[in-house]
Amino acid sequence: GAVVSQHPSRVICKSGTSVKIECRSLDFQATTMFWYRQFPKQSLMLMATSNEGSKATYEQGVEKDKFLINHASLTLSTLTVTSAHPEDSSFYICSARPRDSLNTEAFFGQGTRLTVV
Amino acid sequence: SQQGEEDPQALSIQEGENATMNCSYKTSINNLQWYRQNSGRGLVHLILIRSNEREKHSGRLRVTLDTSKKSSSLLITASRAADTASYFCATAQPDTGRRALTFGSGTRLQVQP
Repeated sequence: GAVVSQHPSRVICKSGTSVKIECRSLDFQATTMFWYRQFPKQSLMLMATSNEGSKATYEQGVEKDKFLINHASLTLSTLTVTSAHPEDSSFYICSARPRDSLNTEAFFGQGTRLTVV
Repeated sequence: SQQGEEDPQALSIQEGENATMNCSYKTSINNLQWYRQNSGRGLVHLILIRSNEREKHSGRLRVTLDTSKKSSSLLITASRAADTASYFCATAQPDTGRRALTFGSGTRLQVQP
């Protein structure tokens, strides 16, 4: 099946620093990728939709200046958490579909556990 | 974003027993999907059922969909310890411009060996 690779799997950073998370579709092109956030024992909440070659679409309440998304190629989207604070500590997961169709399964990265100290 | 509800939130059973999880959602849908998540990992797709389907099987999995009640169920038969994970339903809405999946609250399944 299709593979989505996310890196790093774990990162610890100091408050005030920025962290970049990469999401790659390894064997298909993805014009759209999705970034989710998950707190412990909770569900996935959509943060933003990453669009190749154009601006990302952010969900209500998600600060676009804090969570910078870049989708510069058909196989790579990046999420940068800027000026990280302890409350940004969470599990971040990206997702993509091989074909831009609603009636296909989505493939997920392995997730990134971010801890801000 | 709208989010579905799942019940139970947590379920503990013995190996060999069946596990049933339920999901309710709020909007009209194109399809409903079930995913599995092991602790601290990404999600793995289990099964997709389209809005015009009522039941679907895949191995030990059986999924039903009732669009009139906006609900779905996932049945895992003859459970194994390796089935221990969180299970999420997710819906894809008709083309409203929103192409992301909307996830339910999830059921944490513990299968005791």
